Amino acid sequence: DAGVTQSPTHLIKTRGQQVTLRCSPKSGHDTVSWYQQALGQGPQFIFQYYEEEERQRGNFPDRFSGHQFPNYSSELNVNALLLGDSALYLCASSYEETQYFGPGTRLLVL
Amino acid sequence: SQQGEEDPQALSIQEGENATMNCSYKTSINNLQWYRQNSGRGLVHLILIRSNEREKHSGRLRVTLDTSKKSSSLLITASRAADTASYFCATELYSGNTPLVFGKGTRLSVIA
Repeated sequence: DAGVTQSPTHLIKTRGQQVTLRCSPKSGHDTVSWYQQALGQGPQFIFQYYEEEERQRGNFPDRFSGHQFPNYSSELNVNALLLGDSALYLCASSYEETQYFGPGTRLLVL
Repeated sequence: SQQGEEDPQALSIQEGENATMNCSYKTSINNLQWYRQNSGRGLVHLILIRSNEREKHSGRLRVTLDTSKKSSSLLITASRAADTASYFCATELYSGNTPLVFGKGTRLSVIA
């Protein structure tokens, strides 16, 4: 059984550009959450998707948007990138209590 | 904002020693979870303890929870070099797959 997968593993963008990150959940998991982890910090919750709807959202601007597909996979989109968006972006999938994390996408904004 | 706060921020021990990390949080919780992260990559789930539980064991791991003090501890016994990683506590405030709120983590170095 494959775990949570994310693509790409690394990404370099320039300020003002847009980026799309992708996540495939564990088999049978219907809920996907996205987190941002800045260097030296703990992960911060961005939003959560369930049944293709955004169910909960953290304190992130509207530049951060997402989508969940019928197969439960998910995308995170960030528009108008800022230098401060440089971070590790983690996707987690869950069915009940435990959230299982993918390896993350490291985004560098220059 | 960070709900949990781990202590110490960094810990260095010899292989074979025990490592203890503490976590304090601010509000009532449904459960508390510990995760490990190697070299800034994905988080690995270690153990979950519910608010009505006081202690749980998993292999060399022992977790305690004191809801009156809003604190938890993670004990790793007989540490190995492979235990070198960052350890995070995360709280789930409500039941039903709600978002996790993480602390800043403890960086553990186990020296062979």
